[in-house]
Amino acid sequence: QVQLVESGGGVVQPGRSLRLSCAASGFTFRSYAVHWVRQAPGKGLEWVAGISYDGSKQDYADSVKGRFTISRDNSRSTLFLQMNSLRPEDSAVYFCARDRGNTRWYWSDYWGQGTLVAVSS
Amino acid sequence: DIVMTQSPDSLAVSLGERATINCKSSRTILNSSDNNNYVAWYQQKSRQPPKLLIYWASTRQYGVPDRFSGSGSGTDFTLTIDSLQAEDVAVYYCQQYYTTPLTFGPGTKVDIK
Repeated sequence: QVQLVESGGGVVQPGRSLRLSCAASGFTFRSYAVHWVRQAPGKGLEWVAGISYDGSKQDYADSVKGRFTISRDNSRSTLFLQMNSLRPEDSAVYFCARDRGNTRWYWSDYWGQGTLVAVSS
Repeated sequence: DIVMTQSPDSLAVSLGERATINCKSSRTILNSSDNNNYVAWYQQKSRQPPKLLIYWASTRQYGVPDRFSGSGSGTDFTLTIDSLQAEDVAVYYCQQYYTTPLTFGPGTKVDIK
């Protein structure tokens, strides 16, 4: 069965960095685009970034552009999110989600359980 | 950016009754080249990740009960839950995938009356 397992969350001070990982299994990871979507406590869903099946295309929300980098290692079936210059407003549960497509973005049909990032001094 | 709005913010429905959630996009998400509406619906139960219910505005994801249905076109969309069950208590989100950035509605909370 399809599984997405996020890790790497934690408490970090403003201005510092954190790297999230998402380990995929149960499907051919290299054939699908994947996304990071976040949810601040008690709030709605916010798309953060997406990456195509081969890593050649990345898109970012304006709120994280220039600070966050999405990448993937298809040999390890793992998705990453490098988060730099973190701000308190980046505090959220970060979900990785599989896209139905491979290059163009569509809906997300599988989601991980999420990893919590708290940015606080 | 395409802004997605939802109404109502919350609703309480009796068991077995119908729940209707509306979603409106700030501009059309109907692609004239393929005649598809680029909108999906998700259900999120407490302390769980979102679950895909509907895509292409009206296509039910495999395994989703047929009491869930989606409709609409252009800028106005509806998620209908016929015969509400206790396990349907959740927040429901619409999402457009017509263009980047992907955007979600603010969510509609559904409870039992």
